[in-house]
Amino acid sequence: GQNIDQPTEMTATEGAIVQINCTYQTSGFNGLFWYQQHAGEAPTFLSYNVLDGLEEKGRFSSFLSRSKGYSYLLLKELQMKDSASYLCAVSDMDSNYQLIWGAGTKLIIKP
Amino acid sequence: DGGITQSPKYLFRKEGQNVTLSCEQNLNHDAMYWYRQDPGQGLRLIYYSQIVNDFQKGDIAEGYSVSREKKESFPLTVTSAQKNPTAFYLCASTQTGIRNTIYFGEGSWLTVV
Repeated sequence: GQNIDQPTEMTATEGAIVQINCTYQTSGFNGLFWYQQHAGEAPTFLSYNVLDGLEEKGRFSSFLSRSKGYSYLLLKELQMKDSASYLCAVSDMDSNYQLIWGAGTKLIIKP
Repeated sequence: DGGITQSPKYLFRKEGQNVTLSCEQNLNHDAMYWYRQDPGQGLRLIYYSQIVNDFQKGDIAEGYSVSREKKESFPLTVTSAQKNPTAFYLCASTQTGIRNTIYFGEGSWLTVV
């Protein structure tokens, strides 16, 4: 079956680094997305990984290991505005490329 | 500017009423989606459409209906059959293809009064 797991909530300190993990099980993996969602707002696109390895984009990086069904989002130099939910989603060829969504990880940044 | 426009932002529904949420996109995307999000929860797919005049049920289609008469428009009707409609509704679109980055409208809050 299809399944995506992420931690429900994480807490980190301003200026620090945090890693948000995502594990998935899909039959037709075709890429993994990370989205950021502030409370009461729509999700916004952060990153896309389809090949193994690390993709870096400013303070945010995303890693993928297809053999392990595992990804993480790494946030560096945390700022208060990074307080948000982070959604992991997998594109599944066997579901007509529909995105399978995780429940999201709520990240709380403390001063 | 290109984007996805949802309206209204806030909507109140009385018991037994049907309400329609509007979604318009000018990104020339083929596929459009409606998601429901309950507080503290992930996204659940209601309906999607990959081409004009065709749409498919998602995981929670009961109590909802859609139409896709134009490429730009994908309205969602929340019918009286939907017993617990209070939620945040998100419209999204994407170009069909292998890397289907999905983009969202600003969302609509529906509350039953």
